[in-house]
Amino acid sequence: ETGVTQTPRHLVMGMTNKKSLKCEQHLGHNAMYWYKQSAKKPLELMFVYSLEERVENNSVPSRFSPECPNSSHLFLHLHTLQPEDSALYLCASSQLYGTDDEKLFFGSGTQLSVL
Amino acid sequence: RKEVEQDPGPFNVPEGATVAFNCTYSNSASQSFFWYRQDCRKEPKLLMSVYSSGNEDGRFTAQLNRASQYISLLIRDSKLSDSATYLCVVNSDQGGKLIFGQGTELSVKP
Repeated sequence: ETGVTQTPRHLVMGMTNKKSLKCEQHLGHNAMYWYKQSAKKPLELMFVYSLEERVENNSVPSRFSPECPNSSHLFLHLHTLQPEDSALYLCASSQLYGTDDEKLFFGSGTQLSVL
Repeated sequence: RKEVEQDPGPFNVPEGATVAFNCTYSNSASQSFFWYRQDCRKEPKLLMSVYSSGNEDGRFTAQLNRASQYISLLIRDSKLSDSATYLCVVNSDQGGKLIFGQGTELSVKP
């Protein structure tokens, strides 16, 4: 296994479902991120964990709930989503959060469709 | 004004052409600058960091102009495989969060 792996690659869910996105990094990094990418819009930072502590929470609705059990794993728990939440959700990791050399390594993303 | 602004394109160029993209940023306190490349339906990948002195990696050259608050990416001798969206990334201030531009789409034609 190399880099950052995300599962599932695709997810279709109804508005009443509960699902979770999973991310695992094999790079020995200390920070992990969730980004949202909607069509024709810039990547939006949702959450950052550094050394397993949440350090960023960008006014994300509570229907998105992150979990970081250790420095290699990151989850995004989803419940009662809205159709406008349909987007590509990207996990990333970096060696050090908040430095001038903060280089991100992304997973392949989960394409989420909310019906 | 957007924090990081890019011309979305698309830039349509023939193989072998030289093409340049600019990206403007609003926060003069920004210290970190990067270009990422994103292929269609794939994740972004780091292309290069942008240093004050400018830097070059093969056919790619990145420059920073602090006075005018923009960074640029120059691609020489374009290849078909260069077709992608190029994302400009700037940190909000020293040690601050990374802000992505919406990307510039490049299409290199035979």
